[in-house]
Amino acid sequence: EVQLLESGGDLVQRGGAVRLSCVASGLTFSDFAMSWLRQAPGKGLEWVSAITGSGGTTFYADSVKGRFTISRDNSKNTVYLHMNSLRVDDTAIYFCAKGFGEFPYWGQGTLVTVSS
Amino acid sequence: QSVLTQPPSASGTPGQRVTITCSGSTSNIGRNPVNWYQQLPGTAPKLLIDSSNQRPSGVPDRFSSSKSGTSASLTISGLQSEDEGDYYCAAWDDSLSGPLFGGGTKLSAL
Repeated sequence: EVQLLESGGDLVQRGGAVRLSCVASGLTFSDFAMSWLRQAPGKGLEWVSAITGSGGTTFYADSVKGRFTISRDNSKNTVYLHMNSLRVDDTAIYFCAKGFGEFPYWGQGTLVTVSS
Repeated sequence: QSVLTQPPSASGTPGQRVTITCSGSTSNIGRNPVNWYQQLPGTAPKLLIDSSNQRPSGVPDRFSSSKSGTSASLTISGLQSEDEGDYYCAAWDDSLSGPLFGGGTKLSAL
């Protein structure tokens, strides 16, 4: 059974930084692209970033390009999201998910709150 | 932020057939498969319909989807109370080079 467990969510000030982690189990981690998506309070889903299985290629939504960095450590079955220059509108639950385009497995999410 | 267009709400009585629509463009639904996700209250989204228009294992067969041109729809045949939640369509967008989601439809079983 595929399981994804996010951590690292926090309350941070505008302009601050936070690093999210997502540990995966139940799959050959390096075989699959991984993504981060987010959901602002009471709002819909937004894809944020993705990384290929090897980690060699990364992709970003325009809303976070230049501020967020996705990375992975296949030896630890972990994908990260480094978030810098945080804005109030980055406040959201951040989910990691298997895949890029179609997301058959999701973690339970971790909350990032950016205060002004 | 560009999104696929869904009605904000839908409802039906238990046992009723309910359809949720999703409108896009030639850069997304018009060219690419559509996924549907179900998000029950307080939980993470769950893939309901995959890119082959199939239901993943465990998804009841009362859920089905269709696509025509730049629009797609999710149909629930025989609404049940446990189906209450939010439903999102999604499709790859060639212009954005990434997946695009609808704004979500809140489904209520009256």
